Amino acid sequence: EAQVTQNPRYLITVTGKKLTVTCSQNMNHEYMSWYRQDPGLGLRQIYYSMNVEVTDKGDVPEGYKVSRKEKRNFPLILESPSPNQTSLYFCASSPGTGATNYGYTFGSGTRLTVV
Amino acid sequence: AQSVTQPDIHITVSEGASLELRCNYSYGATPYLFWYVQSPGQGLQLLLKYFSGDTLVQGIKGFEAEFKRSQSSFNLRKPSVHWSDAAEYFCAVGVLGYSTLTFGKGTMLLVSP
Repeated sequence: EAQVTQNPRYLITVTGKKLTVTCSQNMNHEYMSWYRQDPGLGLRQIYYSMNVEVTDKGDVPEGYKVSRKEKRNFPLILESPSPNQTSLYFCASSPGTGATNYGYTFGSGTRLTVV
Repeated sequence: AQSVTQPDIHITVSEGASLELRCNYSYGATPYLFWYVQSPGQGLQLLLKYFSGDTLVQGIKGFEAEFKRSQSSFNLRKPSVHWSDAAEYFCAVGVLGYSTLTFGKGTMLLVSP
């Protein structure tokens, strides 16, 4: 089944303790993105990647890192989490950004709580 | 930069009644437009998308949307709502060649018996 898989689904951590949220897609998609969803704010893009070793900042990149060493994986790293990073996180992938292939598939989300 | 406005935060519709969710976008050229649905505790599922051509697009689950360039709108419609349609709906705009999808803040649909 074509899908985007995120792990973990739920995570509670303490301020300052480094964590990684994994994301993997099995569709051979070029593009991958991370979004955070907060009540009243909708979804905002954190980082995106156009291909292996090519990443760029989205609208809210502060406090996050990403890497794209393999096409299928796009982990989100919080090196020193803070309570304002408590949120619902989504990873998504798309085959491209052209008229025939633009369309993001989303993972099921990771609910992160930082105390 | 592009932006999306969903004017209604919540909408309540009776089961069997028709539905229209509003979406207005701001972008200088022709945008790529999407509607996603998020059921409680779930990820986002693509309902439909518009790139060009016929301005009335059909999607999954009986939904359709109409692109109106003159009104900068891309409203989502369904003729008869089912209780299982209760969810949050997001309109999003993309730009050719750019990977960023800009989302509206969402509209929560409640379905009453």
